[in-house]
Parts: sequence; structure tokens; C-alpha cells
Amino acid sequence: AQSVTQPDIHITVSEGASLELRCNYSYGATPYLFWYVQSPGQGLQLLLKYFSGDTLVQGIKGFEAEFKRSQSSFNLRKPSVHWSDAAEYFCAVAFTGGGNKLTFGTGTQLKVEL
Amino acid sequence: DAGVIQSPRHEVTEMGQEVTLRCKPISGHNSLFWYRQTMMRGLELLIYFNNNVPIDDSGMPEDRFSAKMPNASFSTLKIQPSEPRDSAVYFCASRVAGSYEQYFGPGTRLTVT
Repeated sequence: AQSVTQPDIHITVSEGASLELRCNYSYGATPYLFWYVQSPGQGLQLLLKYFSGDTLVQGIKGFEAEFKRSQSSFNLRKPSVHWSDAAEYFCAVAFTGGGNKLTFGTGTQLKVEL
Repeated sequence: DAGVIQSPRHEVTEMGQEVTLRCKPISGHNSLFWYRQTMMRGLELLIYFNNNVPIDDSGMPEDRFSAKMPNASFSTLKIQPSEPRDSAVYFCASRVAGSYEQYFGPGTRLTVT
């Protein structure tokens, strides 16, 4: 069965520092990959998505992610974190023939120190 | 364009009472998903609809849970009778045909005492 792993439950970074959140998936088919962000008390907001083409994708709020097929990874990055980026981040994956469903990772809680 | 709308945003009820959560998907979206989020289990898919038809309800916990989508612009998730372990945040999401990305509502925080 398809699965998504976010190995880091919590990450703390200083404001202005760079950020990388890890995401790995397992399945043999071509994946469709997503990152969502959830601020406290809010729903999930789509940050970016990868379907095909350029493996480096740009999203909202200055985030980017890189798809690496050889590593089955889709890590999220930001060059300089702002205090308002403190939130929970979810990686999600869908597969052709997967019933149109998204499989979510368990999330990474990001704390930003001022 | 308005996003996914959910009501109520917060619901507090007593064990044994019926609870109805409501969702209005984004106009033009033809798939609708209900999720439950808890600290212990994370984000779980309960049920989803395509063109108002339930496609997969394997995530519905038990018979106390039911969901309907009478038309393209409205869906309900009902819990009867409610139990304290149903306390969670319930999200509705919608998606346009041919796309995989889902757009989430703000959620309903349910507390069953």
C-alpha cells in the first residue's frame, strides 16, 4: 500500500534561517505530490504541487520543493524562514489508479524562534 | 471565489446527542471529501463523493456515522449517537474533476462531553 513518511515530528529553526522538511513516499507508480500547511485553528492550505515536468516546483509564501525519483522524496524548502511560517506541514501523495485519494503524512510541526 | 464553507465552526454537545456537520464545496468542484483529524490518529479520510455519489466510505468508523450529498453544493456528516471519542476536528475538502489537489474548509471542532 502507498504510504508517506515525514520523519521529523518537530523542527525548530531561527527566524531568517533556511528550512528543509523531509517527505518520502513508497509506491511504484508515478506520484502526484503535494505540500499543505495548517496554521493553528485553520484548515489545510495548499502550498505547492508536483505532477510532472521540472522537478523543482515553486509554491506560495516563498516555498519550493524538489522531487527526486531516485530517493522517493519530495522535500520542502525555504531559504529564509519568517516567524509567521510557524505551523504544521503535511506532505501528501496521490497515484494514478489510486482512487483519487490523497495519502497524508503525519505532519511536521515547525517552530520559529525569534 | 469563496472557498469550502463548513458550519458550525465549533460544536459542543453531550454524549448521546445527534450532531450534524455541514459543508458547501467550491462551486464547480465535483468531488467532496470528509476527514477527521485527531492528535492520536492524524488526518483520516472518512468518505468521499464523486458527482454526489458516495465512492468510498471505508473510513467511516461505524454505523453511528453517516454522510449524504443531496446536491452538488451541499453535504452533511451526521453522528448519531455521539460519543466522547468522536471529539475531533472534522474537515471537508473539494476537488475539481480531473485534478488531484484538494481544497480544504476551515474545519468543525467537535467536542462531545
